[in-house]
Amino acid sequence: DAGVIQSPRHEVTEMGQEVTLRCKPISGHDYLFWYRQTMMRGLELLIYFNNNVPIDDSGMPEDRFSAKMPNASFSTLKIQPSEPRDSAVYFCASSLAGTAYEQYFGPGTRLTVT
Amino acid sequence: AQKITQTQPGMFVQEKEAVTLDCTYDTSDPSYGLFWYKQPSSGEMIFLIYQGSYDQQNATEGRYSLNFQKARKSANLVISASQLGDSAMYFCAMREVSYNTDKLIFGTGTRLQVFP
Repeated sequence: DAGVIQSPRHEVTEMGQEVTLRCKPISGHDYLFWYRQTMMRGLELLIYFNNNVPIDDSGMPEDRFSAKMPNASFSTLKIQPSEPRDSAVYFCASSLAGTAYEQYFGPGTRLTVT
Repeated sequence: AQKITQTQPGMFVQEKEAVTLDCTYDTSDPSYGLFWYKQPSSGEMIFLIYQGSYDQQNATEGRYSLNFQKARKSANLVISASQLGDSAMYFCAMREVSYNTDKLIFGTGTRLQVFP
């Protein structure tokens, strides 16, 4: 299996622009997680899906952030409009059966908003 | 409130020696799970080991073992026979479950450097 795939790996954008991050989970995994990692806040969960349905989005910072999972093999995290404080590494992870089990992380997307 | 504490920002160990990375947690739930992940300089998060609160024995996975002391609420990671490739950030995480969520809470991490 190819593992969790994220694109792009690096994104540099100007403040106010829309940013879309993409994730393809491991085939057969029912759970998909979006995390953000910064020096100040560490690694924090933004949202997770079970069978394509959002379960907990309490970690989404504000309305500028939105996430979708239109099918079992694809998810997006969108930031509109982007701000410099959104600069971080965004990870997607998938799991066979929730957080009681190992999560497989993608390589991350390093976002820089100038 | 639940939380994970890793008090060692950085650790050094000589190749082939053993090293212990500390992790303490705080929860009032009787059922919980503890995880360790490794993050090398390339950035990806790699699962290492899991310990359930009801597990009778300490978890082991190859050179990794978890020193689980329930009364002390500690779940320290022990790496035996350190290798240069073990140099990385290490994160302890705890599963937090409530009526409307089921997620991992991560500690701030410990940077391990293995020297020859």
